[in-house]
Amino acid sequence: DVKVTQSSRYLVKRTGEKVFLECVQDMDHENMFWYRQDPGLGLRLIYFSYDVKMKEKGDIPEGYSVSREKKERFSLILESASTNQTSMYLCASTGGGWPQHFGDGTRLSIL
Amino acid sequence: QKEVEQDPGPLSVPEGAIVSLNCTYSNSAFQYFMWYRQYSRKGPELLMYTYSSGNKEDGRFTAQVDKSSKYISLFIRDSQPSDSATYLCATSGNTPLVFGKGTRLSVIA
Repeated sequence: DVKVTQSSRYLVKRTGEKVFLECVQDMDHENMFWYRQDPGLGLRLIYFSYDVKMKEKGDIPEGYSVSREKKERFSLILESASTNQTSMYLCASTGGGWPQHFGDGTRLSIL
Repeated sequence: QKEVEQDPGPLSVPEGAIVSLNCTYSNSAFQYFMWYRQYSRKGPELLMYTYSSGNKEDGRFTAQVDKSSKYISLFIRDSQPSDSATYLCATSGNTPLVFGKGTRLSVIA
């Protein structure tokens, strides 16, 4: 079974802090994705990556950046956290055209 | 028009009922169709995956795709309280998945 692991289930940070969300997958997948999920808005794509050191903007990249130094790890960075970035963050991976597999999410609160 | 439309519900049914969940999509280039199930405080898990028009069955679940009308459905037979979750449809061509907003389903014992 594919395993996508997100480093934290719950995280509380303060406005202005730099926040790192980590995601690791164990299936050697080329493609990795970061989403945020909010009530009434569904899943929205922030950034994705098709290969190491490559990144593509999704639908809502503003206020976020990403890093992919190793194939199995994809990090989401909130450069200066704001309260409107309070959300559930979901990481996913896929390889060979198969559907995305998701981690269990990080529920991030910015105070 | 949004690319994938899905009625958010909530939908509440008695145990044993047949459940029908539906999505419409706008892009005729979409060719992969998926249903995910998401329990509270968990990530979405893949439930059904199909590439073409027609039906695909897996136990109590049937996924149906009608490309001519751009309509995708998920049927749950003999629904159980453990089926209570949010169901998300998703589709794509050669781009990242496009998701519906999800339908929240409650199956009442």
